[in-house]
Amino acid sequence: DADVTQTPRNRITKTGKRIMLECSQTKGHDRMYWYRQDPGLGLRLIYYSFDVKDINKGEISDGYSVSRQAQAKFSLSLESAIPNQTALYFCATSDSPHGAQHFGDGTRLSIL
Amino acid sequence: DAKTTQPTSMDCAEGRAANLPCNHSTISGNEYVYWYRQIHSQGPQYIIHGLKNNETNEMASLIITEDRKSSTLILPHATLRDTAVYYCIVRVKAAGNKLTFGGGTRVLVKP
Repeated sequence: DADVTQTPRNRITKTGKRIMLECSQTKGHDRMYWYRQDPGLGLRLIYYSFDVKDINKGEISDGYSVSRQAQAKFSLSLESAIPNQTALYFCATSDSPHGAQHFGDGTRLSIL
Repeated sequence: DAKTTQPTSMDCAEGRAANLPCNHSTISGNEYVYWYRQIHSQGPQYIIHGLKNNETNEMASLIITEDRKSSTLILPHATLRDTAVYYCIVRVKAAGNKLTFGGGTRVLVKP
């Protein structure tokens, strides 16, 4: 979905490095989410934000932090990357509690 | 959120309708049925959702049984680009509105 843009698309880095994944959206949605996807485990929610002043932990927030710089931008940081954080990361947006979530194309992160 | 059961995989002929079943026998009255798909190496894509009435949009139709214990996603004229994993999700308003994807149905559209 071109309305939700994730950068970078791919990243390879080393253990202990600080990594930032960025997400921007042009859909005007208030709600934004970060998920990770691992083979065989489906999507798992890391953090979510219902507006600029609202940040909430998801089911696997340990080792991650987020920043909602503006309605359109939601960044995910790995303060000190470790190999088991190697995964495919998705950002999503939504405009209502029952609304559909719209996903970016993902960031493939590999931590050596 | 209610658990869903979908077939692991199915094949469909190009140009024919694809009917994807989903069982959600423990669905609650305030839970919606959502369908998403994920084409290889892409982000999940929203298809359609419904509460109890049948729904149709430009991508698909959703048929929900009267007792709401099962539903069927219909792709009216499958194309090769519809090859993907299709996820049926039942969810409530709470729990941070997260999406929980089960195993899904791997659909292969063949020429």
